[in-house]
Amino acid sequence: KAGVTQTPRYLIKTRGQQVTLSCSPISGHRSVSWYQQTPGQGLQFLFEYFSETQRNKGNFPGRFSGRQFSNSRSEMNVSTLELGDSALYLCASSLEASQFFGPGTRLTVL
Amino acid sequence: AQSVTQLGSHVSVSEGALVLLRCNYSSSVPPYLFWYVQYPNQGLQLLLKYTSAATLVKGINGFEAEFKKSETSFHLTKPSAHMSDAAEYFCAVSEGSGGSNYKLTFGKGTLLTVNP
Repeated sequence: KAGVTQTPRYLIKTRGQQVTLSCSPISGHRSVSWYQQTPGQGLQFLFEYFSETQRNKGNFPGRFSGRQFSNSRSEMNVSTLELGDSALYLCASSLEASQFFGPGTRLTVL
Repeated sequence: AQSVTQLGSHVSVSEGALVLLRCNYSSSVPPYLFWYVQYPNQGLQLLLKYTSAATLVKGINGFEAEFKKSETSFHLTKPSAHMSDAAEYFCAVSEGSGGSNYKLTFGKGTLLTVNP
């Protein structure tokens, strides 16, 4: 089976812009979670989607949003980018108790 | 609320030596526990997981971990380190069955260096 894929792998934006990241889960996995990884804060949970519904949400401002499509693919959007949003954004798809991560999207905000 | 503490942000061992990475957790409900490894510029790879079955869990690449409820610990071990084990290791906890078992809380990570 193919693993979790994330596009794009690298992204450079400027402050104030918005960005959309995409995640395709492993075939058959219906849950998709998003995490932000930074050197200062480590790995932090953003949100989780299951069958197109947000089930869990982390402690991030409303500028961070997401959605899931009927084929389980997911997107996350960050509006009005800030310098502090520079991070590795990781997507994970889940089967039972195990989460399998993609390679991440490296976002740099200038 | 759940939390994870990884003791030692950096551990250095010699090739062939025992690897011991420490993880303590806090959870108000029976937890699920995980160890992940991250190589540079890559995502996280699941090494092993504890989901309330056997307390000694065996994972990939010769790693294993033991769940000790009385000590709220889930330390990761490998009998003999290999150069390819050099990476960053993350311990994580979720709320387990019936709870938010898709929300992982991670520790800060331990960078493992293996010296020849």
